[in-house]
Amino acid sequence: AQSVTQPDIHITVSEGASLELRCNYSYGATPYLFWYVQSPGQGLQLLLKYFSGDTLVQGIKGFEAEFKRSQSSFNLRKPSVHWSDAAEYFCAVGTGYTGRRALTFGSGTRLQVQP
Amino acid sequence: DTAVSQTPKYLVTQMGNDKSIKCEQNLGHDTMYWYKQDSKKFLKIMFSYNNKELIINETVPNRFSPKSPDKAHLNLHINSLELGDSAVYFCASSTTSGRDNEQFFGPGTRLTVL
Repeated sequence: AQSVTQPDIHITVSEGASLELRCNYSYGATPYLFWYVQSPGQGLQLLLKYFSGDTLVQGIKGFEAEFKRSQSSFNLRKPSVHWSDAAEYFCAVGTGYTGRRALTFGSGTRLQVQP
Repeated sequence: DTAVSQTPKYLVTQMGNDKSIKCEQNLGHDTMYWYKQDSKKFLKIMFSYNNKELIINETVPNRFSPKSPDKAHLNLHINSLELGDSAVYFCASSTTSGRDNEQFFGPGTRLTVL
């Protein structure tokens, strides 16, 4: 069964600083990987996804993530954080099997942005 | 145009009551899901339906019963509500014709059991 680990529960960065949120996954085949963001009281919005091809993927709001198979990682990055980026970030892994298309989520990383 | 909608957004009820949460998607997807987010923000799949057929049924008490009247709707009925059922419930949808299994989420329903 697949699993996702987000080792950082809470991260605080200053506005304008760079950001990296870590994600490690466990899955026997090529994973489908996602990053979602959840603002307070809101639903989940997809930031970016990876399922094949270029291992560096670009997403919305200036985010990018790099898939590293050797490290089983899919870390999320942003070069310059804005105050509006404060939210909860979830990494997720999915499969392509019709019988098991649910996502397995990590426990989330709460991002706080200092002025 | 709301892609995945849920009603109600908030639900406060007493222990022992029966309640339902409704979900509708207008994306033309053939697969729908219910996820539960607990107080620690952990998200876990509960159920998944594909073309109105139940394909995932995680370890969920049988007090929870999903119903899919058609491909665009997936409702969640909960009997005999317990304090531990308090959580945010998210509906999501995807298409099996998509290679990457991207899922679109509704805004969530915050259930509080008193």
